[in-house]
Amino acid sequence: EVQLQESGPGLVKPSQSLSLTCSVTGYSITSNYWGWIRKFPGNKMEWMGYISYSGSTSYNPSLKSRISITRDTSKNQFFLQLNSVTTEDTATYYCARYVKHLRGFAYWGQGTLVTVSS
Amino acid sequence: DVQMTQSPSYLAASPGESVSISCKASKSINTYLAWYQEKPGKTNKLLIYSGSTLQSGTPSRFSGSGSGTDFTLTIRSLEPEDFAVYYCQQHNEYPLTFGSGTKLEIK
Repeated sequence: EVQLQESGPGLVKPSQSLSLTCSVTGYSITSNYWGWIRKFPGNKMEWMGYISYSGSTSYNPSLKSRISITRDTSKNQFFLQLNSVTTEDTATYYCARYVKHLRGFAYWGQGTLVTVSS
Repeated sequence: DVQMTQSPSYLAASPGESVSISCKASKSINTYLAWYQEKPGKTNKLLIYSGSTLQSGTPSRFSGSGSGTDFTLTIRSLEPEDFAVYYCQQHNEYPLTFGSGTKLEIK
């Protein structure tokens, strides 16, 4: 069974970087696509980006140059880094497996709340 | 970006009833729409993709319809476990975008 688990700091100061890890079990991240999605207070969901089986990435243009998604295939983990955060980046962050032939996120992590505050 | 307008934002119904949730896209997305279910303490579940195809494990009381800009999720004969938040998401073009969610509560 595929399982994803987010981990990382729950509190980040404004202007700093947010870094999260998604640990995947039951499936290799060298297959399919692996993404980050966040849900803001008020329930608005935003697709942030994903990293493919080959290591190529695709990002939401709204995040411009602030976002980076990388991976460690030896640990079956992928990572989110979001730079220069503001209070508007406070959200629950989810990692998920995007299945291209379904065109949907078929497996999700539980989500981790990240608060940006001084 | 394709804007997804989901309605209603809140819906109250009783077990056994049928409900429908609407999702409208700001431009045509063909049939490339997914529906998700969110429940506390559980991971989000992909229910339907490509507008009307049930993901493996999705009960047959769920159905999706629509194409172009207008889509509907219908749940027939609500079960207690169906009370949750539902989201639509278009996967026709990047960036992928989501609706604002519909909270389905027990009346």
